[in-house]
Amino acid sequence: DARVTQTPRHKVTEMGQEVTMRCQPILGHNTVFWYRQTMMQGLELLAYFRNRAPLDDSGMPKDRFSAEMPDATLATLKIQPSEPRDSAVYFCASGWAANYEQYFGPGTRLTVT
Amino acid sequence: GQQLNQSPQSMFIQEGEDVSMNCTSSSIFNTWLWYKQDPGEGPVLLIALYKAGELTSNGRLTAQFGITRKDSFLNISASIPSDVGIYFCAGDGGTNAGKSTFGDGTTLTVKP
Repeated sequence: DARVTQTPRHKVTEMGQEVTMRCQPILGHNTVFWYRQTMMQGLELLAYFRNRAPLDDSGMPKDRFSAEMPDATLATLKIQPSEPRDSAVYFCASGWAANYEQYFGPGTRLTVT
Repeated sequence: GQQLNQSPQSMFIQEGEDVSMNCTSSSIFNTWLWYKQDPGEGPVLLIALYKAGELTSNGRLTAQFGITRKDSFLNISASIPSDVGIYFCAGDGGTNAGKSTFGDGTTLTVKP
């Protein structure tokens, strides 16, 4: 049963620290997405990749967030430095560009104190 | 960018009742998708629709791609407690970009 995996599931850190979240997309999928979910904002698209190339990262605060896909089995989202307003659940999803279906991971719950 | 208006924002129903929710857009979509998010989990794809007028079922769930291509509906029949969660609609926004626009979700509470 193929699934998107994300690590860590929970992260508590202090303001100013670097946070790295990792995602393993489903093998064979050619698109990868990073979303942020808060009570106030719903599901917010941060960045997405097709065939490992970044296509859109307009949803990310550029000064502190970065997203990469070093290879087809790993996507990373980094926040440096982290701030309390970054506290949220971060989801990775993968899919096929042709049919728009997305398969979400379980999320990383980030708390920045 | 494109926005989806999803309604209602929340619903409180009795177990056994039927549920209807919908999603509208100001622009034409070529794909509509419905997801469900359980508490503490990521959204799960329920139904995907690719053709105007298409009606697709998945167990007690039925979704329709509106004929105008600017709306979609999700119905749940004979609700049960495990239907509790947030239901999101999503669409391609008529683009070929591979990414979806998501609605803000409908939160469903089912009282036993």
